[in-house]
Amino acid sequence: GAVVSQHPSRVICKSGTSVKIECRSLDFQATTMFWYRQFPKQSLMLMATSNEGSKATYEQGVEKDKFLINHASLTLSTLTVTSAHPEDSSFYICSAGRDEQYFGPGTRLTVT
Amino acid sequence: AQSVTQLDSHVSVSEGTPVLLRCNYSSSYSPSLFWYVQHPNKGLQLLLKYTSAATLVKGINGFEAEFKKSETSFHLTKPSAHMSDAAEYFCVVSPSGGYQKVTFGIGTKLQVIP
Repeated sequence: GAVVSQHPSRVICKSGTSVKIECRSLDFQATTMFWYRQFPKQSLMLMATSNEGSKATYEQGVEKDKFLINHASLTLSTLTVTSAHPEDSSFYICSAGRDEQYFGPGTRLTVT
Repeated sequence: AQSVTQLDSHVSVSEGTPVLLRCNYSSSYSPSLFWYVQHPNKGLQLLLKYTSAATLVKGINGFEAEFKKSETSFHLTKPSAHMSDAAEYFCVVSPSGGYQKVTFGIGTKLQVIP
């Protein structure tokens, strides 16, 4: 089956700094990738759709200037949380679409 | 448009007894349906999927689900619960194909009592 990886799996950063999370499709090309956020004890909420070679499409209520998404190649999308604050602490999961959605293992971000 | 409703936020069963996690969906097209499991502080693991083939779908770890179009349901079952089944379960609805966004249910937390 298709494999999607994320890096890092866990990151702790200080308030005000920026953090980059990578999402890679390891054995297939993905023109579309998705970024989700999961708060503790809650479901996954779609943040944005990442399209290779074009701007990401953000869901309503998601700050595009805070959550920068770049899909520079057919196998890599990155999510950068800029000027992170403690309320950005969350579990971030990406997925890549082919015949179905394949989910990465997630990145746990803690902002101190 | 699509939506998914997981009817129970929390289910508690005794080890060795059957498991039933309920999911209803709404979709304006023929959807694909999935069940994922998430153990604490872990990522998502695909249990099973329905993609318009057989309506009774068998997944990993003894789980299965039946797609019932007339009832717009996709309930997850297992004949005998194991302690390792304790986790959060998500029902997911998606248009066919992987290029469109999916919709997650709120999740059902399964507790297994020894």
